[in-house]
Amino acid sequence: AQKITQTQPGMFVQEKEAVTLDCTYDTSDQSYGLFWYKQPSSGEMIFLIYQGSYDEQNATEGRYSLNFQKARKSANLVISASQLGDSAMYFCAMRGSGGFKTIFGAGTRLFVKA
Amino acid sequence: EAQVTQNPRYLITVTGKKLTVTCSQNMNHEYMSWHRQDPGLGLRQIYYSMNVEVTDKGDVPEGYKVSRKEKRNFPLILESPSPNQTSLYFCASSPRDRAGNQPQHFGDGTRLSIL
Repeated sequence: AQKITQTQPGMFVQEKEAVTLDCTYDTSDQSYGLFWYKQPSSGEMIFLIYQGSYDEQNATEGRYSLNFQKARKSANLVISASQLGDSAMYFCAMRGSGGFKTIFGAGTRLFVKA
Repeated sequence: EAQVTQNPRYLITVTGKKLTVTCSQNMNHEYMSWHRQDPGLGLRQIYYSMNVEVTDKGDVPEGYKVSRKEKRNFPLILESPSPNQTSLYFCASSPRDRAGNQPQHFGDGTRLSIL
C-alpha cells in the first residue's frame, strides 16, 4: 500500500534561515510523482514543487528545492531564506502510476519567527 | 482565470439532511477528485474521476456519492450526513495523468459542520 509519512507536526525557523521539511514515502509503483503543497491560514492549497521518480536531478522552484533520495524513499522540501509569509501548513503528496489516486501526508506546520 | 470553484464555502446542517457540494472547473481537465482534510490526518481522497462517466473510490468513500455527467462538474453528495463527516472538503482537478506527474489544482475548500 502507498503511504506518505511526515514526522514533524510543527517546526520553527528564524526568518532568513533555511529549513528542511521531511517526507518519506512507500510505494511499489515504478513510476510516480512527489509533490509539495502549501496551505496558508486562509485555507487554500498551493502547489509548490514536483519531483518525478525518474528525474535524476533534484527539482527547484525559486526558494524551494526538493531533496530527492530515491533509495531512501525520501523527498524532503528545503525552503531557503525563510520569510514570514512562509508560515503555513505544508503537505507532501504522491501520485502513483496511472495517476489514479493521490495520497497526502499528515502535514507539517511551519512557523517563521521574525 | 483558470480555477476550481466549490459551493458552498461553508455549511452547517443537521444529521440526515441530504446535501450536495458542487465543484466546477474551467480548465477542460479530465481528472477530478474530492478530498477531506481532518486535523492530524492530512488530506484523504474520497472519490476520483478519470473522465466523464468514469468514477472510482478513494480511501474514504463510505457515506459519499459522486457523479460525473459533464467534464467540468463533479458534485459530492452526502445522502444522509452524520457528525463524523464534519470536515474541510476540497475538490481538485488535473489533466489526464498516466505517469503520476501532474499537480492538482484545488478549489478553495468547503467547511461542513454536521450537527
